[in-house]
Amino acid sequence: GENVEQHPSTLSVQEGDSAVIKCTYSDSASNYFPWYKQELGKRPQLIIDIRSNVGEKKDQRIAVTLNKTAKHFSLHITETQPEDSAVYFCAASSFGNEKLTFGTGTRLTIIP
Amino acid sequence: GAVVSQHPSWVICKSGTSVKIECRSLDFQATTMFWYRQFPKQSLMLMATSNEGSKATYEQGVEKDKFLINHASLTLSTLTVTSAHPEDSSFYICSAPGTGAGTAFFGQGTRLTVV
Repeated sequence: GENVEQHPSTLSVQEGDSAVIKCTYSDSASNYFPWYKQELGKRPQLIIDIRSNVGEKKDQRIAVTLNKTAKHFSLHITETQPEDSAVYFCAASSFGNEKLTFGTGTRLTIIP
Repeated sequence: GAVVSQHPSWVICKSGTSVKIECRSLDFQATTMFWYRQFPKQSLMLMATSNEGSKATYEQGVEKDKFLINHASLTLSTLTVTSAHPEDSSFYICSAPGTGAGTAFFGQGTRLTVV
């Protein structure tokens, strides 16, 4: 089955700086890669996603890049703000298999 | 947008008792529901997949007799934790697939504490 690894497990960034979180996956059949933000005790919230026919996608301060050959994808948050502090999870799934396999999570702390 | 409503949001129960968690799709039909468990400071781990009208599929290492899943209708899936023990204390969350492959609508989650 799919295995998704995520790094780093914790990340502290000065407010205004950029944050980068990286994930690798094992199943070459995976073709959908969402990123979720989860606050304590809450459900995961989709913040951005990318499909395997695209190499990069951007939504305001958030961007995701995908390297299919290397089987890795990354989340980039620019101009970080205190409200960006949360746990972020990457995930992967493949066409015809609706299950999501989650990464281990990154606790992002924005230092004011 | 589509909404999955999960109840209760938190529950405290005594060891040995059973707890039922419900997930309802409010404005769409969910033929499939995924059930995840999340221990503190850990990731979401898929426990099982429920399918309306058929038996649930359990992930390796998940006891099907302990975690009973029922998907009796297109809008309701339930997870019952039977004979709960303190080590079952966790955050349980359901999700229904969205229209795009891999997309998901999550319930609010249930914080289960077994004392």
